[in-house]
Amino acid sequence: QSVLTQPPSVSGAPGQRVTISCTGSTSNIGAGFDVHWYQQLPGRGPRLLIYGNTNRPSGVPDRFSGSKSGTSASLAITGLQAEDEADYYCQSYDSSLSAYVFGTGTKVTVL
Amino acid sequence: QVQLVESGGGVVQPGRSLRLSCAVSGFIFSNYGMHWVRQAPGKGLEWVAVIGNDGSNEKYADSVKGRFTISRDNSKNTLYLQMNSLRGEDTAVYFCAREHRFQENVKFDPWGQGTQVTVSS
Repeated sequence: QSVLTQPPSVSGAPGQRVTISCTGSTSNIGAGFDVHWYQQLPGRGPRLLIYGNTNRPSGVPDRFSGSKSGTSASLAITGLQAEDEADYYCQSYDSSLSAYVFGTGTKVTVL
Repeated sequence: QVQLVESGGGVVQPGRSLRLSCAVSGFIFSNYGMHWVRQAPGKGLEWVAVIGNDGSNEKYADSVKGRFTISRDNSKNTLYLQMNSLRGEDTAVYFCAREHRFQENVKFDPWGQGTQVTVSS
């Protein structure tokens, strides 16, 4: 079972803004470890979307943004587009487990 | 361009072994630590193992410790995962991923397309 909790699903109409939360604890996000976000399209390997809590790799649209506060992090998608329909995962490190941990995953549906 | 291609998956009986490979190209393999991550059917991502750039510093998830071994051949630009004593709960798509590390802050980029492992009698 994952130590990072995400909502199972979020949805929005094209052009709207949606946010995905990632809730951890004092042994991972709250301990200061970075949070990274990945997008996974059906049948594909994950793609790095946000790294180091707030940074976008080259090629990732600026519609995607990340934030972190305390023991939680969030991914926001503004101006939602049909191509954003995918699964999204947060990821960090847990010092109690001495392991790299992923969130439970969130399916984004564009209505 | 940077590419990671997994192979070696298949259907295997419980208790048997399987070895996965991940062939990489487009970057200096010996400069990077590498990971295996898996995804059970309809489930989320689970980190499996990591190996340092020089083959040292292996670490494993508790769920596979003592059964799986990660290794690499830098002369062949290939990462491996030897999986022994396989169980039904090991059924998953297995991805290899390159790490970018600053202390314990590790991100995975890029990833391969995955190889399916099914453990069934």
